[in-house]
Amino acid sequence: DSGVTQTPKHLITATGQRVTLRCSPRSGDLSVYWYQQSLDQGLQFLIHYYNGEERAKGNILERFSAQQFPDLHSELNLSSLELGDSALYFCASSPQRGGTSGYNEQFFGPGTRLTVL
Amino acid sequence: AQSVSQHNHHVILSEAASLELGCNYSYGGTVNLFWYVQYPGQHLQLLLKYFSGDPLVKGIKGFEAEFIKSKFSFNLRKPSVQWSDTAEYFCAVNAPGYSSASKIIFGSGTRLSIRP
Repeated sequence: DSGVTQTPKHLITATGQRVTLRCSPRSGDLSVYWYQQSLDQGLQFLIHYYNGEERAKGNILERFSAQQFPDLHSELNLSSLELGDSALYFCASSPQRGGTSGYNEQFFGPGTRLTVL
Repeated sequence: AQSVSQHNHHVILSEAASLELGCNYSYGGTVNLFWYVQYPGQHLQLLLKYFSGDPLVKGIKGFEAEFIKSKFSFNLRKPSVQWSDTAEYFCAVNAPGYSSASKIIFGSGTRLSIRP
């Protein structure tokens, strides 16, 4: 158990819908990362937040957005869902700020499996 | 741009065989290197990491990896595998010191199947 929690564990929804995935980082970690894992794309970095502020963006679609709240939990919002958005979405947390602050070890949550029908 | 290559997509071994999974990265500066394992139906777990110092890194469950800077490689090894090592293994790289350093770049993964 990494200490990172994600809810829900599974989510089944229809195309065109909007969903919210939630992540709680390990106690004391200020950084939260979101990743998408799919069969065809592998594990792709989506976005990084540090202490409430966006730090870096990866291959995140415009239909997707995220935020990190004052209590440091984070939410990933996926809208206008398409079949291709079906994937496992991982959240990871880190005590480090990332960027130029040196090494960056990330601890992964169990993931949310999203199925879009 | 940073990239990570894992050339073995699927490796099948018998129990007690020795394992070596290849990982090459493309980045000329200082890197942090990781191997993660994902057991069936589970999340990613860190096996081992290299930040600096001794290039031979020992991780959990008897795994080790060697950082060879001249070859841009960070191969994972285990002298004797067990059936419980059946999983997917991901090599990853992070390059601190640059604005894009927040993210960890993952390889495509190597699926390891161990025959009992």
